Amino acid sequence: GPKVLQIPSHQIIDMGQMVTLNCDPVSNHLYFYWYKQILGQQMEFLVNFYNGKVMEKSKLFKDQFSVERPDGSYFTLKIQPTALEDSAVYFCASSRDWGNYAEQFFGPGTRLTVL
Amino acid sequence: GDSVTQKEGLVTLTEGLPVMLNCTYQTIYSNAFLFWYVHYLNESPRLLLKSSTDNKRTEHQGFHATLHKSSSSFHLQKSSAQLSDSALYYCALSDDGNEKITFGAGTKLTIKP
Repeated sequence: GPKVLQIPSHQIIDMGQMVTLNCDPVSNHLYFYWYKQILGQQMEFLVNFYNGKVMEKSKLFKDQFSVERPDGSYFTLKIQPTALEDSAVYFCASSRDWGNYAEQFFGPGTRLTVL
Repeated sequence: GDSVTQKEGLVTLTEGLPVMLNCTYQTIYSNAFLFWYVHYLNESPRLLLKSSTDNKRTEHQGFHATLHKSSSSFHLQKSSAQLSDSALYYCALSDDGNEKITFGAGTKLTIKP
């Protein structure tokens, strides 16, 4: 089936540094999402994105977070500066359509460790 | 806000026995969609089942679930567990659109020979 890729699979950085997580969505998908999963907890919605704009974000999407998809390339999540509580697995997802009849396809996640 | 509860964090069963993973939810929206996602180790979470129709059984790949709005439940069942069913199972909810999915904490299902 359709695959979403995430690069890198693991990232270790020092607190205060910037990190960019990359997502390669399914090729004909137009809607993009990030979710965060802290170890042992549930996956939580961060943000969704369409046509160059954030459509909705949760309270977890702090001011230090930003997303973009320049020129149809990777859909990225940037954290600047990082904090210890940003350590988590970040899942990217994409969907072709909007609404309840559209399936979100997930990537395998990027495990971010902030030291 | 919306919430999803999966009571069992870990379920261990012997191959061939029936599977039932519990899921209850809370939402103010009457047209909520409920999902089950399966997450195998080192793979991506993928959709297993979804439903928004009250009291209608939904089936896929040997699993089935029925949305019961009266009890706010969407339990996942399978008549006979297979070793390959070992994975993390997430129950999830979307209210008026698929833009944001609320996940439960997940149930780790382990099937033993």
